[in-house]
Amino acid sequence: DIQMTQSPASLSASLGETVSIECLASEGISNDLAWYQQKSGKSPQLLIYAASRLQDGVPSRFSGSGSGTRYSLKISGMQPEDEADYFCQQSYKYPLTFGSGTKLEIK
Amino acid sequence: QVQLKESGPGLMQPSETLSLTCTVSGFSLTSNGVGWVRQPLGKGLVWMGTIWAGGSTNYNSAVQSRLSISRDTSKSQVFLKMNSLQPEDTGTYYCARHIRGSFYWYFDFWGPGTMVTVSS
Repeated sequence: DIQMTQSPASLSASLGETVSIECLASEGISNDLAWYQQKSGKSPQLLIYAASRLQDGVPSRFSGSGSGTRYSLKISGMQPEDEADYFCQQSYKYPLTFGSGTKLEIK
Repeated sequence: QVQLKESGPGLMQPSETLSLTCTVSGFSLTSNGVGWVRQPLGKGLVWMGTIWAGGSTNYNSAVQSRLSISRDTSKSQVFLKMNSLQPEDTGTYYCARHIRGSFYWYFDFWGPGTMVTVSS
């Protein structure tokens, strides 16, 4: 199975701050990576697919980048509504696997 | 608009068989796949399996021997059945529309989830 190592496990950011979350795959996944946001008590919501493509309706402050085994999600200008858990997920090989998550809080 | 909603029993006993239903609207099961994802309380997400538009299925090998996913396209419903339940199967079960593009796959819409507790 492809292991997705996500870091950091948690972080806190001030409003307006730029934050980055990283995902390291145990083998190359050819940009077949998605990022999801999960607010407390809610279901996950798709933010980014194909490593860098923004899902319709997602604010442009969210962006994704990376290649090979290393991928990152950037939030340019932390907003109160961005407080949530974030997960990466690879679809390059079965079984599809998720990262362990990053808890993002407001400082 | 695209919507999915899970339903099923909240409490199960060990060794029983879990049956969950995902009712979808806003899209056709013959055009898109639907996947099931489990989330133990306070933990991460685990893909369990997907039924694709053509009716084929793929399962996570970790649960494949216990899991079956099927559908009724006339009712826009997808079913999950998992036998030999254990306490570690406790968690929130989500169904999600599974997009299989030319090169990239992803879950674009998710149901609200249904909590399943396995306890004697």
